Amino acid sequence: AQSVTQPDIHITVSEGASLELRCNYSYGATPYLFWYVQSPGQGLQLLLKYFSGDTLVQGIKGFEAEFKRSQSSFNLRKPSVHWSDAAEYFCALRPMNTGFQKLVFGTGTRLLVSP
Amino acid sequence: DAGVTQSPTHLIKTRGQQVTLRCSPKSGHDTVSWYQQALGQGPQFIFQYYEEEERQRGNFPDRFSGHQFPNYSSELNVNALLLGDSALYLCASSSEVLKGDTQYFGPGTRLTVL
Repeated sequence: AQSVTQPDIHITVSEGASLELRCNYSYGATPYLFWYVQSPGQGLQLLLKYFSGDTLVQGIKGFEAEFKRSQSSFNLRKPSVHWSDAAEYFCALRPMNTGFQKLVFGTGTRLLVSP
Repeated sequence: DAGVTQSPTHLIKTRGQQVTLRCSPKSGHDTVSWYQQALGQGPQFIFQYYEEEERQRGNFPDRFSGHQFPNYSSELNVNALLLGDSALYLCASSSEVLKGDTQYFGPGTRLTVL
């Protein structure tokens, strides 16, 4: 069975500081991996995705993520956080060996940005 | 280019009632997936529709059913509502042709069951 673990429920970062959100997955092979962001009361917006190739993926809003096969991880990073980054962040996987496009999500990490 | 749209935005129902939620996919997309997001949780996959057929289903009871129309829009129906059905219901669309493509999400419908 596939699963995604986001070990941090909440993270508080000072504005201007760097950010790293952790994501670990369980799957028998390399899945497709995604990071989505959700502002309060809103739907999900795609930040970035990893399908294959370069393990460092660039996304929107200055975010990047690094896929590490040996650690089954896909951590999200940003060098300098802005107050508008405060939101809920979800890591998700989609199995590669199926034509179906079901996403499996983690439970999310809520990012708080302090002044 | 319109993204994924959902209606209504909010809905309040009482236990035992039935509800229908609607979704229009992003232009060019032919596959619609529905997710339930309970408060404080990540989205959970309900089912996916392609070519007007339910193609894959998550761990949800038969009270949850759906439909896809020839124009690729979709409905989610929930019968005999329970308090635990209160959640944000998200619709996502994607392209079958591009199997590695991304799912794009709508803003969701907030369902409250009293």
